[in-house]
Amino acid sequence: EVQLVQSGAEVKKPGESLNISCKGSGYYFISYWIAWVRQMPGKGPEWMGIIYPGDSDTRYSPSFQGQVTISADESTSTAYLQWSSLKASDSAMYFCARTKTYDSGVTGFDYWGQGTLVTVSS
Amino acid sequence: DIVMTQSPLSLPVTPGEPASISCRSSQSLLHSNGYKYLEWYLQKAGQSPQLLIYLGSTRASGVPDRFSGSGSGTDFTLRISNVEAEDVGVYYCMQALQSPTTFGQGTKLEIK
Repeated sequence: EVQLVQSGAEVKKPGESLNISCKGSGYYFISYWIAWVRQMPGKGPEWMGIIYPGDSDTRYSPSFQGQVTISADESTSTAYLQWSSLKASDSAMYFCARTKTYDSGVTGFDYWGQGTLVTVSS
Repeated sequence: DIVMTQSPLSLPVTPGEPASISCRSSQSLLHSNGYKYLEWYLQKAGQSPQLLIYLGSTRASGVPDRFSGSGSGTDFTLRISNVEAEDVGVYYCMQALQSPTTFGQGTKLEIK
């Protein structure tokens, strides 16, 4: 069974660092892209960036470039989203999701993690 | 960035009746491979989004056949043939052609 299991909710102070994770199982981890998606309260999803664990090819949305770091560890089938200095405006739900690309198309984000709620407050 | 615009933003529907959601992209989503890189998702309250349709019209695994997707390069439609109570939630279109991937604002479907 394919699963993406994310780390638990976090409560942090502004200026602190944070690393949240997304562990894949039930499929060949390095063959699928993993995206990170932010959803602020009451708002729609926003694509932050994506990584291909097979070669660590990483793309960022311009809105998030330089604000976060996306990485993956092939040995543990885990993708990460990292902040070096959190702001109150980073408070949101964060989802990971997988997708696969082919010459003839894409599969869509067919599996999603359960979400990690990040709260940043002084 | 490609801008995705959905309508309506709110959609009250009587169970058993059909429903339709429109999504327009600011650029064509037609890939050189002939496929349209448009996806539809449903997010139920308190849950992660779930994939309904990819490549414009292909239903994802396990999605009931009352859901269908269609469209041209910039105008797309999600149709639900007979709405059921379990279809309540927010529907999003998303373009996967160009980075950054972008979502529509969402259409909230509710039961009358």
